[in-house]
Amino acid sequence: GAGVSQSPRYKVAKRGQDVALRCDPISGHVSLFWYQQALGQGPEFLTYFQNEAQLDKSGLPSDRFFAERPEGSVSTLKIQRTQQEDSAVYLCASSLVLPMAFFGQGTRLTVV
Amino acid sequence: AQSVTQPDIHITVSEGASLELRCNYSYGATPYLFWYVQSPGQGLQLLLKYFSGDTLVQGIKGFEAEFKRSQSSFNLRKPSVHWSDAAEYFCAVGASGEYGNKLVFGAGTILRVKS
Repeated sequence: GAGVSQSPRYKVAKRGQDVALRCDPISGHVSLFWYQQALGQGPEFLTYFQNEAQLDKSGLPSDRFFAERPEGSVSTLKIQRTQQEDSAVYLCASSLVLPMAFFGQGTRLTVV
Repeated sequence: AQSVTQPDIHITVSEGASLELRCNYSYGATPYLFWYVQSPGQGLQLLLKYFSGDTLVQGIKGFEAEFKRSQSSFNLRKPSVHWSDAAEYFCAVGASGEYGNKLVFGAGTILRVKS
């Protein structure tokens, strides 16, 4: 596609609910990233894929967070047993030339 | 570890006035540097990047930035601000190789434009 596409744009989850956020990167982009942006803050790195391989997951805040990219294209970020502190905008980015990245519009997650 | 400091949380300028947003970075090698802009409810749009070469780089929407290695700075400038420039601006340093492959962002500067 022309840009990075994320869905849903907005998600409201009850505390304890599991959520799945989808990212469709720019066609041909080998690298894919997930970032978390809390209100009033800059984005913070969560995890990085090169094709289907998850090469860096050092930014995932807990074992409730899980990301996958099974066929090296679309990626899903899953958060289990959501907590209020998980409320944030989750940004996906893809890249052809590291470390430059192009971002999607994000998914705003609100945990109530 | 890599870090980025944007000293100004908010800046207000008059439409037509010049703009400079400050960015300082800490990185253990030659940095890759970026400026992104984020409008409310939107993702990040790349304004410009510095990889190597000419230290004055031009970007979209009339923005430019100058890399100063001696000051560890990469300040963003625009000679004449338009009302549509009101947004939040993020400076980022790009790590690669042994430093990991990711962008490290500053906390952002919110630009307000008054008419």
